[in-house]
Amino acid sequence: EVQLVQSGQEVKKPGESLNISCKTSGYNFANYWIGWVRQTPGKGLEWMGIIYPGDSDTRYNPSFQGQVTISADTSISTAYLLWRSLKASDTAIYYCARTGDTAIPNWFDSWGQGALVIVSS
Amino acid sequence: EIVLTQSPATLSVSPGERATLSCRASQSVRSSLAWYQQKPGQAPRLLMYGASTRVTGIPDRFSGSGSGTEFTLTISSLQSEDFAVYYCQQYDKWPPLHTFGQGTKLEIK
Repeated sequence: EVQLVQSGQEVKKPGESLNISCKTSGYNFANYWIGWVRQTPGKGLEWMGIIYPGDSDTRYNPSFQGQVTISADTSISTAYLLWRSLKASDTAIYYCARTGDTAIPNWFDSWGQGALVIVSS
Repeated sequence: EIVLTQSPATLSVSPGERATLSCRASQSVRSSLAWYQQKPGQAPRLLMYGASTRVTGIPDRFSGSGSGTEFTLTISSLQSEDFAVYYCQQYDKWPPLHTFGQGTKLEIK
């Protein structure tokens, strides 16, 4: 069974850094793209970017380029989303999700449970 | 960036009736469209990909159609568990800049 288990809720202050994780199991982690999706009440679901763990090919939505870093560690089948300096506007639920096809990024067939990130002074 | 516009924003339907949800793309995405269902406090769940291919385990009362810029998700006879928010997603382009629609809330009438 494919499983994606995310790290827990975080409460941070503006300017702080944060790294959230997505530990996967039940499939060959290196062979499927993993993406990150932001959900806010105002903007719905936003596709942030995606990584192919096998060769670390990473693609970003221009809206998030430079704001976050996506990475993956194949030795522990885990993907990460990193902020170096959080803003209040980063407050949201963040989902990791696996694509349904090994070749190219496409639909997301398996999702993590979501991680709530709250950024407040 | 391809913009997906879903309509209506909210759809009120009685159990047992048919629901038709629309997703329009700002430019052609061929058949590179997926549909998701999201219930409160849960992650989205994939229902359909390739515009019309139902995911294993999804009831056959769910069907998808369309290509290019116009897509439809139809639920033929609504069950209580179908009341949720539905999102479309396009995944057509490379380099990837995949986008979601803003969602349609399907509520009980």
